[in-house]
Amino acid sequence: AQSVTQLDSQVPVFEEAPVELRCNYSSSVSVYLFWYVQYPNQGLQLLLKYLSGSTLVKGINGFEAEFNKSQTSFHLRKPSVHISDTAEYFCAVKPDRGSTLGRLYFGRGTQLTVWP
Amino acid sequence: DTGVSQDPRHKITKRGQNVTFRCDPISEHNRLYWYRQTLGQGPEFLTYFQNEAQLEKSRLLSDRFSAERPKGSFSTLEIQRTEQGDSAMYLCASSSPAPDRTGRLQETQYFGPGTRLLVL
Repeated sequence: AQSVTQLDSQVPVFEEAPVELRCNYSSSVSVYLFWYVQYPNQGLQLLLKYLSGSTLVKGINGFEAEFNKSQTSFHLRKPSVHISDTAEYFCAVKPDRGSTLGRLYFGRGTQLTVWP
Repeated sequence: DTGVSQDPRHKITKRGQNVTFRCDPISEHNRLYWYRQTLGQGPEFLTYFQNEAQLEKSRLLSDRFSAERPKGSFSTLEIQRTEQGDSAMYLCASSSPAPDRTGRLQETQYFGPGTRLLVL
């Protein structure tokens, strides 16, 4: 079985400050990892993904994430946030084999609020 | 590539009524997914199709829910005899899996804007 834990439900931060949104996962098989962003009353937009290769992945809007297999983590970072980054962020995993091959498993989300 | 579209964007209905949502995937994507998202939660998987075949259904998908993808293109999700607990955002996603160099199937799901359902 797979599960995703986003350790912080809310992260307030001032504009131009760095931010880290934490994500840990549990899985009995190898997984692919994703971060999605959701603005109010909208669907999910893909920020970045780790499928294979380099463990440091870069995404849109200046975000990056590092896959740490030993710690089963995939934390999202941005060195300097803007007010427009205020949104809900979801970490998701997808097993690369098994009976539930298709579905994504999501965490409960982290609300990032950027203050001026 | 116009992205995944969903219709309607909002739906208000009375308890006991039937509702139907439509999803149009990215063209040529052969997989189509439905998820449900309740307030303060992440999306939860409901079901998915590969072409017109429904390959997996979550136990969240009660008998009142039915999904179809008759020609392997758009999909509909119908909820019969709606209940207040059905109030949620219903998200559709599509993908086109492809093998990497090692043969593992890699896949990225792209989401639509969602249909927000309110059952009174």
